[in-house]
Amino acid sequence: EVQLVQSGAEVKKPGESLKISCKGSGYSFTSYWIGWVRQMPGKGLEWMGIIYPGDSDTRYSPSFQGQVTISADKSISTAYLQWSSLKASDTAMYYCARRTGSHPDIWGQGTMVTVSS
Amino acid sequence: SYVLTQPPSVSVAPGQTARITCGGNNIGSKSVHWYQQKPGQAPVLVVYDDSDRPSGIPERFSGSNSGNTATLTISRVEAGDEADYYCQVWDSSSDQVVFGGGTKLTVL
Repeated sequence: EVQLVQSGAEVKKPGESLKISCKGSGYSFTSYWIGWVRQMPGKGLEWMGIIYPGDSDTRYSPSFQGQVTISADKSISTAYLQWSSLKASDTAMYYCARRTGSHPDIWGQGTMVTVSS
Repeated sequence: SYVLTQPPSVSVAPGQTARITCGGNNIGSKSVHWYQQKPGQAPVLVVYDDSDRPSGIPERFSGSNSGNTATLTISRVEAGDEADYYCQVWDSSSDQVVFGGGTKLTVL
């Protein structure tokens, strides 16, 4: 079964760092782009950026460039999304998704990040 | 950047047909994909490449795309279809995935 499994919910304070993960299985992890999507509470889907685990080629949405870092470790079939200094406005659900052609087809279950003092 | 416009809400009675639109400049020249998201769940692909269905998606879900509007059609609507629906395209000029704002489908 093709699936993406994300790390668990996080509660952090403003200014703290964080790295969440997305592990792929059931397919060739290095052959598909993995993207990250933000969904703020009660809001829609926002594309953050994407990485190709085969060579770590990474593209960011202009809205998220410089705000987050996307990386991958192909040896363990895992992609990451990280923040160096969280803000309250980073509170959201974050999804990873495998891209096939021009669309995400397989989604992770989501990781809820809560940033509160 | 490319903008996709969806109506915030659509309401339909059970057994009727729901149509959710997605507007964009010359969207007919792009491949449009649709996702269903139920409360507390991750999005699920229901239509890809304008009108194809992934395995496991009922035939009641169909799509079309022409000119400046793409449409997701749900026939014989059931209570379980109540969800948020998002359209999506790949904007080649910016090399980015673009989502519409989402439409909440209410089954009356």
